[in-house]
Amino acid sequence: ETGVTQTPRHLVMGMTNKKSLKCEQHLGHNAMYWYKQSAKKPLELMFVYNFKEQTENNSVPSRFSPECPNSSHLFLHLHTLQPEDSALYLCASSLPGLNSGNTIYFGEGSWLTVV
Amino acid sequence: AQKVTQAQTEISVVEKEDVTLDCVYETRDTTYYLFWYKQPPSGELVFLIRRNSFDEQNEISGRYSWNFQKSTSSFNFTITASQVVDSAVYFCALNNEKLTFGTGTRLTIIP
Repeated sequence: ETGVTQTPRHLVMGMTNKKSLKCEQHLGHNAMYWYKQSAKKPLELMFVYNFKEQTENNSVPSRFSPECPNSSHLFLHLHTLQPEDSALYLCASSLPGLNSGNTIYFGEGSWLTVV
Repeated sequence: AQKVTQAQTEISVVEKEDVTLDCVYETRDTTYYLFWYKQPPSGELVFLIRRNSFDEQNEISGRYSWNFQKSTSSFNFTITASQVVDSAVYFCALNNEKLTFGTGTRLTIIP
């Protein structure tokens, strides 16, 4: 069983819908991440949270809105998405401070299809 | 700037053959960390190994082994006696202040 769980695993939404992806980690970490994986593209880091504070936003469109209520939970709120936003969204967590070589652990991902 | 190159996009081998996945990295830092992850069709990225830049010893874990060569900036991954369950996309990654992934190698083991 993975230490990082994501729900839902699969989501189909229309362009005018509002939905949310949820991530929960059971590893006692204080850093959490959202990554996007599109077909034939490298993994893209979207957001980073350290101790519930957003520390990185890689120029992600505002139709993606993250929320981190505590160090164990991370959400990605989705609103008026485009078909090109269809991808696998991966949540991850680690101990804070990647320059210390802390390992990032990933969830199983949420497969999102925008129609 | 950091960069990770996995030149092999796709590899197919027959079951029980050995296979090596290549990873070449670029960084100006003297302290860094290298990782391999496995991504089966289910989607989860499974952590396989972490190696720091000061430890050039090769590592073996069952059928898996890793060859870290700082002189050539490579961190290659070998699967011995491959099995169908090894079929997945494998990612090499470099970590200093952020985790930089390669584009992955899709490995297919043919029964």
